[in-house]
Amino acid sequence: DIQMTQSPSSLSAAVGDRVTITCRSSQTISTYLNWYQQKPGKAPKLLIYAASSLQSGVPSRFSGSGSGTDFTLTISTLQPEDFATYYCQQSYTTAALTFGGGTKVEIK
Amino acid sequence: EVQLLESGGGLVKPGGSLRLSCAASGFTFRTYKMNWVRQAPGKGLEWVSSIDGSASYIDHAESVEGRFTISRDNAKNSLYLQMNSLRAEDTAVYYCARGGYSSGWYVFDYWGLGALVTVSS
Repeated sequence: DIQMTQSPSSLSAAVGDRVTITCRSSQTISTYLNWYQQKPGKAPKLLIYAASSLQSGVPSRFSGSGSGTDFTLTISTLQPEDFATYYCQQSYTTAALTFGGGTKVEIK
Repeated sequence: EVQLLESGGGLVKPGGSLRLSCAASGFTFRTYKMNWVRQAPGKGLEWVSSIDGSASYIDHAESVEGRFTISRDNAKNSLYLQMNSLRAEDTAVYYCARGGYSSGWYVFDYWGLGALVTVSS
């Protein structure tokens, strides 16, 4: 299976900060990379697909980049509602879908 | 409006069985691939199983292969997960998730609220 590694596992940031989360795959996955946001007690929500395409309704302060094995999720100006856990997920191998371990964004 | 509602969770002893259901509405169920994704307490997300619209293609994670079986009833707009030989490490919230294609890329685009399965003696 393709292993997905996120870093950092957690970070502290203040409202207004720029935040970057990294995701690395164990083998090349082109741009078959999605990002999800999960708030406590809630189901995950799709933010970005195809590494850099914003899902409908998602604020433009979220952006994604990368291809091959290295990807990033950036929040340009952190808002109070963005404190959550973020997961990357590869869809290159649909018979064995895998997620990263998650990055928890906490309030500084 | 797309809605997914899981049911059937609960407490079960190790070695026991449980069947989860997911009632879908607001979309043409038979045309979508469906999935189960789980999350152990305080842990990350783990894909469990997928089934295509006609139930012709089924995949399971290695961690549940041979113990869990995904199925669907398109006439009832329902997805199921039969879980046998349950272990403590299967304790998790189980989410039903629709597999959609955004511009050709496979995503989990809608999720249910989740059903808690606890395996404990």
